[in-house]
This record gives sequence, structure tokens and C-alpha cells, in this order.
Amino acid sequence: KQEVTQIPAALSVPEGENLVLNCSFTDSAIYNLQWFRQDPGKGLTSLLLIQSSQREQTSGRLNASLDKSSGRSTLYIAASQPGDSATYLCAVIKTSGSRLTFGEGTQLTVNP
Amino acid sequence: KAGVTQTPRYLIKTRGQQVTLSCSPISGHRSVSWYQQTPGQGLQFLFEYFSETQRNKGNFPGRFSGRQFSNSRSEMNVSTLELGDSALYLCASSFTDTLGQYFGPGTRLTVT
Repeated sequence: KQEVTQIPAALSVPEGENLVLNCSFTDSAIYNLQWFRQDPGKGLTSLLLIQSSQREQTSGRLNASLDKSSGRSTLYIAASQPGDSATYLCAVIKTSGSRLTFGEGTQLTVNP
Repeated sequence: KAGVTQTPRYLIKTRGQQVTLSCSPISGHRSVSWYQQTPGQGLQFLFEYFSETQRNKGNFPGRFSGRQFSNSRSEMNVSTLELGDSALYLCASSFTDTLGQYFGPGTRLTVT
């Protein structure tokens, strides 16, 4: 059974810091990995999608890497801003089917 | 392109009642998945529909059911509501497994 773990569970940083969020998964037979952002009480916003054949994806200040062999992904946020405050979730999808398995999320607070 | 829409956004029901939630996917997406999010259990997969057929099912009791129409719109139904069914219900659509899933804003269900 696929398990996804995110570390840390919560993170509080001053504005401007570069930070790294970690995600690990137990079954390396994944189709792709997706990072999401969730604001309180809202739905999930897709940030980055890394397909199994890729090693990283970038969008603006965000960079996500994927190492399938070690079962790990990191989300790097450069020059953090208060507007980045949210819960960040990583999710993997197995080789077959469209069932996303989510981690518990990292709650990020960026202080002005 | 319009995103995933879900109706209603908020719902209050009493124990024993039933409820129907609706989801309209992104145009052209044929796969619709449903997830339940609670503070204690996180995000859990309910079921996935593709071309009007249930393709995957999570570990939820039979009180939870769904269907998909020919225009890819999907509904989920929960019968005999219990207090523990109070949650944010999220719908996601995708074009293919490799291109990621995109979520709607969710329906907040409160059972009293």
C-alpha cells in the first residue's frame, strides 16, 4: 500500500527566505507526482506536475524535483512571500488508475 | 478554459438524510474523481469515473455512491448521513493519467 509522508508538518519562516518542503513515498512504481497548494477552506490548486520520466519541473519561484529510486520529492520555494502561506500537499498516482495518494501536507506560514 | 465547478458550495443536513453533490469537469476531461477531506483522516479517495463507468473505488461504505453522465458531469450521493460524514468533498478532473488532476473548490457538508 502506497504511503506518502511530508516533512515538516508545519513551517514558519520570515519573508524572503528560500525553503524546501519534503515528500517521501514508499512505492516507487508511480506514474507521476503532483504538488498542490490549499488555502484554508478552499480546494486544491495544482502547482507542479512531475511525470515519472522527468526529474524536475519549474514554475516561477517554485521548483520541484523527483527521485523515484529513493522515493523522494522536494518542493523548493525561492524568496518566500506572505502570500505563499498555505498548506502544501504532495500526491502520487500509481502506474495504473487515477487514484491520487496524498501526504498529510506541510502548513507554511511566511511572516512579513 | 473554465475550471472544475462544484455545487452546492455549502450544505447542512441532519443525520439520516441523504445528499447529492454535483461536479462539472474541465471541458474535454473525461475522468472525474471524488475525495473526502477531514481534519482527522486527511484526503481520502472515494471513487473515479471515466466515460460513465466507475473505474476505481476507495474504501468507503456503500452509502457513498456516484455516477457520471454522458457529458462527463458527475454526481455523488451519500445516503443515511452520519455525523462523521461532515467533510469537504472535492472533485477532480483529468484528461489523462499523465497530465495530472485539477480540483474544484469543494462542497462543505455539515451533518448535524
